[in-house]
Amino acid sequence: AQSVTQLGSHVSVSEGALVLLRCNYSSSVPPYLFWYVQYPNQGLQLLLKYTTGATLVKGINGFEAEFKKSETSFHLTKPSAHMSDAAEYFCAVSEGTGGYQKVTFGIGTKLQVIP
Amino acid sequence: GAGVSQSPSNKVTEKGKDVELRCDPISGHTALYWYRQSLGQGLEFLIYFQGNSAPDKSGLPSDRFSAERTGGSVSTLTIQRTQQEDSAVYLCASSLGLAGVETQYFGPGTRLLVL
Repeated sequence: AQSVTQLGSHVSVSEGALVLLRCNYSSSVPPYLFWYVQYPNQGLQLLLKYTTGATLVKGINGFEAEFKKSETSFHLTKPSAHMSDAAEYFCAVSEGTGGYQKVTFGIGTKLQVIP
Repeated sequence: GAGVSQSPSNKVTEKGKDVELRCDPISGHTALYWYRQSLGQGLEFLIYFQGNSAPDKSGLPSDRFSAERTGGSVSTLTIQRTQQEDSAVYLCASSLGLAGVETQYFGPGTRLLVL
C-alpha cells in the first residue's frame, strides 16, 4: 500500500531564506509523486509532479523537488522564500495502476514566511 | 476556462440533519474524486467516479455517506444524519480520466460545520 509522510506540520522561514519541505513515501511499485499547494480559502493546485525520467522536477513559482529512490524521498525546495509562498503544501503519491490513479495525500505542511 | 466549482461554499447544519454537497467538474473531465479534509488531517479519499464505470466507494467512512454522478458530469455527495465528526472541508477534484498520470484539478471546497 502507498503512503506519504510529511515531516513538520508547520514550518517557518524568513523571507529570502531557503524553503525545504520534507516528504517521504512508501510504495510497492515505482511511484508517481506530486506536490500540491493550497492558498488560504482556495482549492489545491498542482505545483509539480514526478512520473518518470529526470529526477529533479521543476514546478511553478520557483519550486522544485528531487526524487531520490534510495531515500524514498521527494523533498520540496525553493532557494528564496517570498511572502506569497505562505500556504499549505501537500505531498502525494500514486501507484497509478492502469487508468485509475488513486492518490494518497500527506497531512500537509503549513509554511509561514516571516518578513 | 471554468474550473471545478462546488456549492455551497459553507454549510452549517444541526446534528441529525441530511446535507447535500454539489460538485461541477471541468467540462470534458470524466474522472471525479471526492476528498475530506479535517483539521490536522491530510486529504482523505472518499469516492472516485470514472465515466460510466462503477464508482470506487472504498473511502466512504460509513453508510451515512453516499454519492452519485448524474450524466457523467455533476456529482452530489450526501451525508445522512450528520454527526459532529463530519465537520470538515469537502473537496472535489476532476481529471481527464485517460490512462496514465493525470493532474487533478480541485474545487475550492465546501466547509461543513455540524452543530
